[in-house]
Amino acid sequence: DIQMTQSPSTLSASVGDRVTITCRASQSISSWLAWYQQKPGKAPKLLIYKASSLESGVPSRFSGSGSGTEFTLTISSLQPDDFATYYCQQYNSIRTFGQGTKVEIK
Amino acid sequence: QVQLQESGPGLVKPSQTLSLTCTVSGGSISSGGYYWSWIRQHPGKGLEWIGYIYYSGSTYYNPSLKSRVTISVDTSKNQFSLKLSSVTAADTAVYYCARDVRGWADYWGQGTLVTVSS
Repeated sequence: DIQMTQSPSTLSASVGDRVTITCRASQSISSWLAWYQQKPGKAPKLLIYKASSLESGVPSRFSGSGSGTEFTLTISSLQPDDFATYYCQQYNSIRTFGQGTKVEIK
Repeated sequence: QVQLQESGPGLVKPSQTLSLTCTVSGGSISSGGYYWSWIRQHPGKGLEWIGYIYYSGSTYYNPSLKSRVTISVDTSKNQFSLKLSSVTAADTAVYYCARDVRGWADYWGQGTLVTVSS
């Protein structure tokens, strides 16, 4: 099984900050990685697929990068609506999610 | 706009079978090109992929749940279903259905909480 490890688990930030979340795979997954945003009581929302492709309708302040085993999700200027939990998910071999990163207000 | 909606009992007794259905609107399961997935989230925890089905009936399951999971499709009703047998309290979770576009899930249902308790 491919394990996905996100860091940090919790991140405290302020509106306007640049935020970076890291996701590491236990083996190479090429670029087969997606990122999701989840707010309390809601279903996850797709942000990024194929490591760096922005889903339609997602603000351009979100970006993804990486390949192989190390990936990042960057929010260029954190907005009030961005406080949420973020998950990475690999689909190189079935599907596995990271444990999540909660972005909270500093 | 594709929409998915989960339905089924919110309470299941231990050792029984959990059964949920996902109804898809705004798109046809039988048009192909997508997998139809079940994903769950234990209370306060992360996401766990359960499995998916193609319109043809081909399935793939999470190995950790494979012995207890069955996913089926009814294209005439534009629905797909999840059955999880021999449930325990550890199966208490919010269950989501989702459309899987070759690996990533672009449309999700709102989720339904299933509690396993006597």
